[in-house]
Amino acid sequence: EPEVTQTPSHQVTQMGQEVILRCVPISNHLYFYWYRQILGQKVEFLVSFYNNEISEKSEIFDDQFSVERPDGSNFTLKIRSTKLEDSAMYFCASSVAMGGTEAFFGQGTRLTVV
Amino acid sequence: GENVEQHPSTLSVQEGDSAVIKCTYSDSASNYFPWYKQELGKRPQLIIDIRSNVGEKKDQRIAVTLNKTAKHFSLHITETQPEDSAVYFCAASMGRDDKIIFGKGTRLHILP
Repeated sequence: EPEVTQTPSHQVTQMGQEVILRCVPISNHLYFYWYRQILGQKVEFLVSFYNNEISEKSEIFDDQFSVERPDGSNFTLKIRSTKLEDSAMYFCASSVAMGGTEAFFGQGTRLTVV
Repeated sequence: GENVEQHPSTLSVQEGDSAVIKCTYSDSASNYFPWYKQELGKRPQLIIDIRSNVGEKKDQRIAVTLNKTAKHFSLHITETQPEDSAVYFCAASMGRDDKIIFGKGTRLHILP
């Protein structure tokens, strides 16, 4: 069964450093998302991406965040200058069609900022 | 924007009994309501979903109901088993918008 894959599974970084989280969505999917989950809390929407541009972003997704689809398979989330409060599990998801179709989640990248 | 409220935050039921988790949503434009199960350290996994043109949906031991007028939807798990222990999230999505808004989750404990 096809699945969304994310790398790395765990990333430890120093405060102020840049990190790039990588995702390979399911190949025929058109819509891509990043969510984050702070430990013990709910899953929060960060950004959606379609047709090589951001469709929507939440208030969490400020100027330190960016997304990119550098080639036909990868979808990346960059955090420019990490803060302690960026520590969370980051989930990538993809879906075939917008709004009403199942989103498939990757296994997540646990980001720890020290 | 959409806001999803979920309760209870924690639920303990005896194995074999039923569990019910309830959610409300704020935006009447929401038309897709998935439920996710998340085991410790794992990804959210879709267990069932319902669209706004349907009032109830069942899949083996799991059922969801939707009351559009009241903006309520619920998850029912019957004959609970130890492997049902997990955190369950309800969520809502709008047709014209593509993000999923999650509730805060319910930690379900199945007691032996």
